[in-house]
Amino acid sequence: GENVEQHPSTLSVQEGDSAVIKCTYSDSASNYFPWYKQELGKRPQLIIDIRSNVGEKKDQRIAVTLNKTAKHFSLHITETQPEDSAVYFCAAGLRNSGNTPLVFGKGTRLSVIA
Amino acid sequence: GAVVSQHPSRVICKSGTSVKIECRSLDFQATTMFWYRQFPKQSLMLMATSNEGSKATYEQGVEKDKFLINHASLTLSTLTVTSAHPEDSSFYICSAVAGGSKQETQYFGPGTRLLVL
Repeated sequence: GENVEQHPSTLSVQEGDSAVIKCTYSDSASNYFPWYKQELGKRPQLIIDIRSNVGEKKDQRIAVTLNKTAKHFSLHITETQPEDSAVYFCAAGLRNSGNTPLVFGKGTRLSVIA
Repeated sequence: GAVVSQHPSRVICKSGTSVKIECRSLDFQATTMFWYRQFPKQSLMLMATSNEGSKATYEQGVEKDKFLINHASLTLSTLTVTSAHPEDSSFYICSAVAGGSKQETQYFGPGTRLLVL
């Protein structure tokens, strides 16, 4: 089955700096890669996702890159702000397959220091 | 985005009792919902896949007789923790996919914090 590895487990950055979180996956059949942000005690919120037909996607300060050959994808947050502090989870799954569960990484705790 | 609700948001119960958690899709129909549990500072652990009108699919190591799942309608799935013990204390979260099998985006409920005394 699919296995998703996520690094680093914790990350501290100064406000205004960039943060990068990396994930690798094992199953070449996976073609859908969402990223979720979870604040303490709250639900995971989808912040961006990428499908295997593109290599990069950007939404304001957030971008995700995908390297299918190497089976890794990364989240990039630029100009970080204190409200970006949270736990971020990457996941891998299948497009057009709503009955197939996502496989999550172990999460990265991001702290943005003002 | 699609809205998923959970009830209750938190529950405290005595050891040996059963607790039912509801997961509802408010503005869409969900043939499939997923149940996760999350321990403090850990990732989401998939417990089971709940399929409307059929039996749930449980992940390895999850006791189906302890964690009863019922998905009786396209907008409601329930998880019942039977004979709860302190080690069952956790954060339980459900998710659902809007748009059925042709979509893939999962939306999460707000979670239920269970404390078993």
